[in-house]
Amino acid sequence: DVKVTQSSRYLVKRTGEKVFLECVQDMDHENMFWYRQDPGLGLRLIYFSYDVKMKEKGDIPEGYSVSREKKERFSLILESASTNQTSMYLCASGLYGSSQETQYFGPGTRLLVL
Amino acid sequence: AQKITQTQPGMFVQEKEAVTLDCTYDTSDQSYGLFWYKQPSSGEMIFLIYQGSYDEQNATEGRYSLNFQKARKSANLVISASQLGDSAMYFCAMREIHGGSQGNLIFGKGTKLSVKP
Repeated sequence: DVKVTQSSRYLVKRTGEKVFLECVQDMDHENMFWYRQDPGLGLRLIYFSYDVKMKEKGDIPEGYSVSREKKERFSLILESASTNQTSMYLCASGLYGSSQETQYFGPGTRLLVL
Repeated sequence: AQKITQTQPGMFVQEKEAVTLDCTYDTSDQSYGLFWYKQPSSGEMIFLIYQGSYDEQNATEGRYSLNFQKARKSANLVISASQLGDSAMYFCAMREIHGGSQGNLIFGKGTKLSVKP
């Protein structure tokens, strides 16, 4: 059974703080993804990674960075949190190169930046 | 232009009735896949069903079926015999094999389904 876990379900931070969101998957997937989800906007891709130490920008990378030091772990970093980064953050993992394979999602982190 | 369009922000359905959630897509790629996900209020995205662009038959998974009309570029989700537990957000997504999205999933904005007892 695929499992994707995220370090926190709820997080409250102050403007300007550095925020780390961590994601771990246990299925040896090559691909990992970070999305943010806002009402009326659906899921938007922030960053993704096809392999350890590799990262690619998604549709909305501004204000975020990522780190993938190990295959199973993909971290999203908000260097200086701002109120417009208040959102739901979803991590996902998936197999590389298979068009039919779904992505498997974590439970999400609801981040509130005050 | 939006790649995935879900025109119904919210829908209601009576328990035990069938409901169709609309999804249209836009791609010039000949090879692509279409996915539907359910997101309950708990937040986790749950994969429901997949349809490949070359699949000749509509996909089915239990009470879920995908009404795939390739010429119209639509991939509507049909839920039969709705249950109270079906109340959730539903997202349609597409993966283009050769398109500009680098093979990643592109999501629609979602439809909130509410099942009435």
